[in-house]
Amino acid sequence: AQSVTQLDSHVSVSEGTPVLLRCNYSSSYSPSLFWYVQHPNKGLQLLLKYTSAATLVKGINGFEAEFKKSETSFHLTKPSAHMSDAAEYFCVVSAMDTGRRALTFGSGTRLQVQP
Amino acid sequence: GAGVSQSPSNKVTEKGKDVELRCDPISGHTALYWYRQSLGQGLEFLIYFQGNSAPDKSGLPSDRFSAERTGGSVSTLTIQRTQQEDSAVYLCASSPGVGPSTDTQYFGPGTRLTVL
Repeated sequence: AQSVTQLDSHVSVSEGTPVLLRCNYSSSYSPSLFWYVQHPNKGLQLLLKYTSAATLVKGINGFEAEFKKSETSFHLTKPSAHMSDAAEYFCVVSAMDTGRRALTFGSGTRLQVQP
Repeated sequence: GAGVSQSPSNKVTEKGKDVELRCDPISGHTALYWYRQSLGQGLEFLIYFQGNSAPDKSGLPSDRFSAERTGGSVSTLTIQRTQQEDSAVYLCASSPGVGPSTDTQYFGPGTRLTVL
């Protein structure tokens, strides 16, 4: 069994300030971890993916995430927020479960960027 | 096409009617998933197809829901006798199924279903 907890349902930052979106996970297997972003009325877009190659993963649009096994965390960060970053962000864990590659989504964090 | 496509983008129907939602996965992707996203909720897994294997239907909420995947490509999700609680965005995703990116899922834009 696996689960994902996104610790904040809403995050509001000012343009140009850092972004931190928190995610904790649990998995019985060696998981892959993802962050997806969903802009209003748009589909889900893959931001970045962790497998096991490197604990610090760089994604698109300046985002990155660090896998910390001891803390079972995979927090998403960006040094400087842009207005276009306003969207819903989903942390996702993927692991083999009963023969299927199962994705479990967090409940999402809505990022608001103030001018 | 370059990505996953879904049709229609929006569907409004009356309670009790049947609806069909279509998904065209990325060419060559062997795995296909259907999810449901209700207002303010995360994604709920519905069904999974992998190649010619029997589909994993464990997420289907009731026997009113069914899905097919013809020729290992296009998939259709059918909801019979729709209810208001079926209103949601239905998302389709595909993944290569093999190789290093086997578990990276690429999502379509979704179909927004409204049941009146």
